Amino acid sequence: EPEVTQTPSHQVTQMGQEVILRCVPISNHLYFYWYRQILGQKVEFLVSFYNNEISEKSEIFDDQFSVERPDGSNFTLKIRSTKLEDSAMYFCASSQFRSGTGGEKLFFGSGTQLSVL
Amino acid sequence: KQEVTQIPAALSVPEGENLVLNCSFTDSAIYNLQWFRQDPGKGLTSLLLIQSSQREQTSGRLNASLDKSSGRSTLYIAASQPGDSATYLCAVSGNTPLVFGKGTRLSVIA
Repeated sequence: EPEVTQTPSHQVTQMGQEVILRCVPISNHLYFYWYRQILGQKVEFLVSFYNNEISEKSEIFDDQFSVERPDGSNFTLKIRSTKLEDSAMYFCASSQFRSGTGGEKLFFGSGTQLSVL
Repeated sequence: KQEVTQIPAALSVPEGENLVLNCSFTDSAIYNLQWFRQDPGKGLTSLLLIQSSQREQTSGRLNASLDKSSGRSTLYIAASQPGDSATYLCAVSGNTPLVFGKGTRLSVIA
């Protein structure tokens, strides 16, 4: 079965450093998402992306965050200057249909565990 | 603002038992509801998706029901096995992107 692939699986960085988390969505999917899960808390929406632009973002997704689809297969999340509170598991997801059509099953990657020291 | 609550937070059962996990949501204007499984330190595996026009979905030993008007869903697991041990997350999709509950941590004891 096709799957969403995320790299790296673990990333350790120093506070203030930039990190880029990478994702390869399922090939025929058109809608891409980033979610995060702080240890012990709910999975939270960060941003959705379609047709090379952000379609929706949450309050968490401030100016320190950016997303990009640099080529036909990769989808990246960049955190410009990491803070301690950015430590979390970051999940990439993709779907074939637009959110709201009812049939949009989201497929999630296995996540990148980001630790900011 | 959509809020999703899952009860119980944790559940421990002996192998072979049938069990029910509960999910409730505050805004009934949803498009669909999805149940996920999460193993420790791992990603989210989609188990079942119920569209708002549907009442239930079944996959193997899993059955999920949806009562949109009352804002509730249940996940029924028949004949539980130790391999079912994981955290089960409920998430709803509506005017906002997928909103998750905190999950039910299930332990099935052999």
